[in-house]
Amino acid sequence: EAGVVQSPRYKIIEKKQPVAFWCNPISGHNTLYWYLQNLGQGPELLIRYENEEAVDDSQLPKDRFSAERLKGVDSTLKIQPAELGDSAVYLCASSPGLGSYNEQFFGPGTRLTVL
Amino acid sequence: AQTVTQSQPEMSVQEAETVTLSCTYDTSESDYYLFWYKQPPSRQMILVIRQEAYKQQNATENRFSVNFQKAAKSFSLKISDSQLGDAAMYFCAYYNQGGKLIFGQGTELSVKP
Repeated sequence: EAGVVQSPRYKIIEKKQPVAFWCNPISGHNTLYWYLQNLGQGPELLIRYENEEAVDDSQLPKDRFSAERLKGVDSTLKIQPAELGDSAVYLCASSPGLGSYNEQFFGPGTRLTVL
Repeated sequence: AQTVTQSQPEMSVQEAETVTLSCTYDTSESDYYLFWYKQPPSRQMILVIRQEAYKQQNATENRFSVNFQKAAKSFSLKISDSQLGDAAMYFCAYYNQGGKLIFGQGTELSVKP
C-alpha cells in the first residue's frame, strides 16, 4: 500500500514569492492534515479536512495561507506571499477518519527555505 | 488546551543499553490517547507506540515500552537493547477528544556504537 505522497520534497524561493505544496493521502483515507514543523520543534496542526470540508483551520494564518482539498482526495497548501519566517517543514498526514482514534500516517514533508 | 512537555532536548545511549525518554502532559480530559513518534533524518514520522488512557496496563511493542502514570500525567518511553537505527528525534504526542494531535518539542536520541 502506497503511503502519503508529498511534493516537492524541497523548495527554495525568494521572499514575497508564492509557493504551493501538494499532498496525496493514502487511498480511502477521509481525513487529511497539514502540519507545520519548525526546526527542532514538534509539528503543529495548520488545517484538518474531513473529505473536502475544512473542519479545523483555526491555526492557519489566513492572510497568506490557503488550502484546498478538491473532491476529497488530493490537497494543496499555498503561501502567498512567502516570508522569511515561513521557512520550515510542511507535513501532510492522513487517517481513515475521525473516531475514538484513527492512526495518522505521515508523508515525508516538504522543506521550504525562504531567502 | 492540552500541552505536552519533553524536558530532555537530547539524550544519548550506548548500543545495546536501555534509555528512557520523559514526557509530561496537561489535560482536563479523562479519555485520550498518548503516542510516541520517531522521526529519523528522512523526516518520515513513524508511530512507535500508543497508549489508551483508560487502560492501566502499559503498552509494549517489542523493545519499546511505556510507563504511563495517569495521575501524574507522565508518559515515558523505554527503549531496551538500543540499536543504531533507533537514533532519531522522538516526539511524545497527545490525541484529544476533538481529534487533534498535540506534539511535544521532541528529544533527539543518539546511539553510540
